[in-house]
Amino acid sequence: DTAVSQTPKYLVTQMGNDKSIKCEQNLGHDTMYWYKQDSKKFLKIMFSYNNKELIINETVPNRFSPKSPDKAHLNLHINSLELGDSAVYFCASSQDRRTGELFFGEGSRLTVL
Amino acid sequence: AQSVAQPEDQVNVAEGNPLTVKCTYSVSGNPYLFWYVQYPNRGLQFLLKYITGDNLVKGSYGFEAEFNKSQTSFHLKKPSALVSDSALYFCAVREGGRGDYKLSFGAGTTVTVRA
Repeated sequence: DTAVSQTPKYLVTQMGNDKSIKCEQNLGHDTMYWYKQDSKKFLKIMFSYNNKELIINETVPNRFSPKSPDKAHLNLHINSLELGDSAVYFCASSQDRRTGELFFGEGSRLTVL
Repeated sequence: AQSVAQPEDQVNVAEGNPLTVKCTYSVSGNPYLFWYVQYPNRGLQFLLKYITGDNLVKGSYGFEAEFNKSQTSFHLKKPSALVSDSALYFCAVREGGRGDYKLSFGAGTTVTVRA
């Protein structure tokens, strides 16, 4: 049973399209995250939710909109995709906002053509 | 502001030899320090952390790390490397006790262990 699962694993799409990535955790954790890993493997936090409340919102274009319907789910919607959005997007969760022990999903590789 | 530096992009060692992956950090207050490992096409996995207490921290897969406050370092070590340890290793830091609890990751160090 996968602890943090995200779908889809791969997305290939055209510039200007809108896409969503879904994430679910079955660990009972309170806090969830979205990270972006670029082609140089650099990892940057985008958003964090704690019990459905947005607690971290980095300088991310407002084309990116997270949504947490409940504390086990955190989805990422991206509007008007651009070439620079191509990356691997990781969902993660942690027991609470204080621990730095994160559990990551397998990643969703987005390619914008 | 908080940051992490991993001065080596790549570390190459022979199987059975000791492995060290370097990390230095900068935070305003007390550091909470972490190591993660990423295998190809996988998500990151937590290895170990230092919050307080003993400067030598033991973690998963035989890894350990030593916290050195005077040198602001948190190097990852393994006494005898395995080929299966070949992966990308990330050091991370956040300021303990308060703040937004945001983790800052280093740029990563690729470890290659040759048979």
